[in-house]
Amino acid sequence: DAKTTQPPSMDCAEGRAANLPCNHSTISGNEYVYWYRQIHSQGPQYIIHGLKNNETNEMASLIITEDRKSSTLILPHATLRDTAVYYCIARGYQAGTALIFGKGTTLSVSS
Amino acid sequence: GAVVSQHPSWVICKSGTSVKIECRSLDFQATTMFWYRQFPKQSLMLMATSNEGSKATYEQGVEKDKFLINHASLTLSTLTVTSAHPEDSSFYICSARQGGEQFFGPGTRLTVL
Repeated sequence: DAKTTQPPSMDCAEGRAANLPCNHSTISGNEYVYWYRQIHSQGPQYIIHGLKNNETNEMASLIITEDRKSSTLILPHATLRDTAVYYCIARGYQAGTALIFGKGTTLSVSS
Repeated sequence: GAVVSQHPSWVICKSGTSVKIECRSLDFQATTMFWYRQFPKQSLMLMATSNEGSKATYEQGVEKDKFLINHASLTLSTLTVTSAHPEDSSFYICSARQGGEQFFGPGTRLTVL
């Protein structure tokens, strides 16, 4: 799996958009970008994943650059409940291998 | 989405005793499940991969005789921490794979006194 790099922490005001960057410059053509988050003392929660097109679901949007070397997770209207550690993971869409977690970005949303 | 449960959600035990943690996929069958461990202020660390009907594959540095994993059915995997010691106190999280997706349980907080 390609290495990903994320800032250790970010702050966001409640109601504003939270834009979380991820660098994955060595990503290979068949590797997807996955985003998970972990709220304190809970298991990780799936947010979104994508290959090369931008993706949107009810939780977030994923913007992947054309060269696929970086991506941005966007929470359009952050709430206090979005305070969590966000993990960006690059991996192939295949069965059998586990997700490997880096250090992630701690997002703090404040009122 | 797919749901993974864990039981118990927390457990306190005395040093030297064994503790079993159950992981269940509630609405799907999982041929592959994973066990992670997380220490305070650290990220999740993969301990082992559990395949239904076969022996688990352990990550380097994880003692297979101490952390016994059984995946006897397509919906249940168990992790038994044998002869637990205070340094085994941690947050244990299981995960189940369905196709290309991986779903996580809520975690089990183990405290060894």
